[in-house]
Amino acid sequence: DGGITQSPKYLFRKEGQNVTLSCEQNLNHDAMYWYRQDPGQGLRLIYYSQIVNDFQKGDIAEGYSVSREKKESFPLTVTSAQKNPTAFYLCASSTDNYRGGELFFGEGSRLTVL
Amino acid sequence: AQKVTQAQTEISVVEKEDVTLDCVYETRDTTYYLFWYKQPPSGELVFLIRRNSFDEQNEISGRYSWNFQKSTSSFNFTITASQVVDSAVYFCALSEAGTGRRALTFGSGTRLQVQP
Repeated sequence: DGGITQSPKYLFRKEGQNVTLSCEQNLNHDAMYWYRQDPGQGLRLIYYSQIVNDFQKGDIAEGYSVSREKKESFPLTVTSAQKNPTAFYLCASSTDNYRGGELFFGEGSRLTVL
Repeated sequence: AQKVTQAQTEISVVEKEDVTLDCVYETRDTTYYLFWYKQPPSGELVFLIRRNSFDEQNEISGRYSWNFQKSTSSFNFTITASQVVDSAVYFCALSEAGTGRRALTFGSGTRLQVQP
């Protein structure tokens, strides 16, 4: 079945460690996105990519890094510079953002930093 | 800058009641898109509807209906005869088609609890 796969679903890490969250899609979508969700704050955009080898910062990019080497993959690294990394992370993709295409979301990754 | 406001943090209703979720948006673009998503307890966001800024017709899909009014910059969502399965967090979102960023801006969400 086509869709977006995020892994791992739950992740525990010690403070100061870098963490990489995986996002893979087999929908043949050009655009991919990473959002962070905190309780009561909705979704905030971290990074997005409209095409391979290109990506843009969102509203809260500090402390995060991404790569887009393949169309299907858009991994997110939460670095030690991110001061409050504990959150629910959602990856999404879209077929045609220029015409307002809807986003398809993965099931999310919940990161807890101890 | 684009902004989406969902002033209702949490709403609780009894099954079979009608409920309206409010959404107010801000944008400078003349071409934009509005969305509603549902987030059940499992966490994955489910797409419900998209409207573009040139189409102000109201939409009805089963028990769901949407009222888009450009004059008040609102895109409200009504659930008729609510059911327990409607319990979720609902997000309104905005995307600008102009020179702005090509990503959705979400509101803070409204948690709907439908009691049996």
